[in-house]
Amino acid sequence: GEDVEQSLFLSVREGDSSVINCTYTDSSSTYLYWYKQEPGAGLQLLTYIFSNMDMKQDQRLTVLLNKKDKHLSLRIADTQTGDSAIYFCAAIFLGAGSYQLTFGKGTKLSVIP
Amino acid sequence: DGGITQSPKYLFRKEGQNVTLSCEQNLNHDAMYWYRQDPGQGLRLIYYSQIVNDFQKGDIAEGYSVSREKKESFPLTVTSAQKNPTAFYLCASSIDRHGYTFGSGTRLTVV
Repeated sequence: GEDVEQSLFLSVREGDSSVINCTYTDSSSTYLYWYKQEPGAGLQLLTYIFSNMDMKQDQRLTVLLNKKDKHLSLRIADTQTGDSAIYFCAAIFLGAGSYQLTFGKGTKLSVIP
Repeated sequence: DGGITQSPKYLFRKEGQNVTLSCEQNLNHDAMYWYRQDPGQGLRLIYYSQIVNDFQKGDIAEGYSVSREKKESFPLTVTSAQKNPTAFYLCASSIDRHGYTFGSGTRLTVV
């Protein structure tokens, strides 16, 4: 079946890099997303990558995809206190015949000043 | 500005009551979704609709009902059959694989 898993907590010091990891289990073509959720708010799309890509960079964000291991990571360079939030990994498994998102449980990033 | 609006932001329900959460979008998106979020559980799909007058159950539809009479609107009713309704509810809409837009959520509390 289709599943997305990620660790629940990460704590980093301000100015360091944060790396949030995610694994997925489906073998069909996949779009993979990272969303950010601040307290009491909705989800904000940060970036996405298709499963035929290895890497995508957007300012402080770098997404790395290991297709063989079905492992996705989000690196945030120079982490700031404003980056403290829950980060969700999500996937659209195209073999499922629809554009439904499957979410991981979210990683709570805490940035220590 | 196009967007998706959920109301109210906070909602309190007494035991045995039905309550309806509003979700409206002006993005001209065909598909709309309702998710429930509990701490440590991530987002779980309640119902979704890919077109007007049609909707499908998600993973946790029991105790909930929806309607999709207009493209712009996808209200969610939390019925008295839902035994543990206290949660954060998120509505989303999409036009394709990149077009998921989320509302700001409704926090429902049973009192």
